Amino acid sequence: NAGVTQTPKFQVLKTGQSMTLQCAQDMNHEYMSWYRQDPGMGLRLIHYSVGAGITDQGEVPNGYNVSRSTTEDFPLRLLSAAPSQTSVYFCASSYYSGGGYEQYFGPGTRLTVT
Amino acid sequence: EDKVVQSPLSLVVHEGDTVTLNCSYEVTNFRSLLWYKQEKKAPTFLFMLTSSGIEKKSGRLSSILDKKELFSILNITATQTGDSAVYLCAPDQGGSEKLVFGKGTKLTVNP
Repeated sequence: NAGVTQTPKFQVLKTGQSMTLQCAQDMNHEYMSWYRQDPGMGLRLIHYSVGAGITDQGEVPNGYNVSRSTTEDFPLRLLSAAPSQTSVYFCASSYYSGGGYEQYFGPGTRLTVT
Repeated sequence: EDKVVQSPLSLVVHEGDTVTLNCSYEVTNFRSLLWYKQEKKAPTFLFMLTSSGIEKKSGRLSSILDKKELFSILNITATQTGDSAVYLCAPDQGGSEKLVFGKGTKLTVNP
């Protein structure tokens, strides 16, 4: 299993540009999520999905869209990039095990918006 | 509002020392708590704890949960330089798949 994969690893955007961060998992996990990680702020949940066709907002959803057409893929779209979206983005997937959900992270995408 | 506080924020020790990292939380309807290790990349899963008082162990790392007092500790014995990382704890939110992350404890192990 490849686990959780993310592309690209690095990206530089200009303010106002749009792009999609890709996330895929091959573990057949129902639950997937997107986080951003900023210095001093920890990991913050952007959007999540409990299964194909179902998505919901997390703590910091503004400026981002998601969709979940398949179990495997969960792309994150930046509609109009802003410098405040400069961050490291992690995708994660999880499954239920022994009383809770074990969550596994992808390698991350480092995004810079100039 | 759900809250997770980790202490200390940072810690510098020498190889061979034993360290204890703390995680306290205020999360409603909590069901499980996860610990992660993060080096200069993605967080790596260490433990999931669901029951009070039952220690989970993996090599030199161990962790325990106290659901009554709302805290967890992560112990690392005989530390090595490879243990240098940020350690994150994350209780689930309302017994759901959503996790609430603390800001982490940065551990530095010097040779």
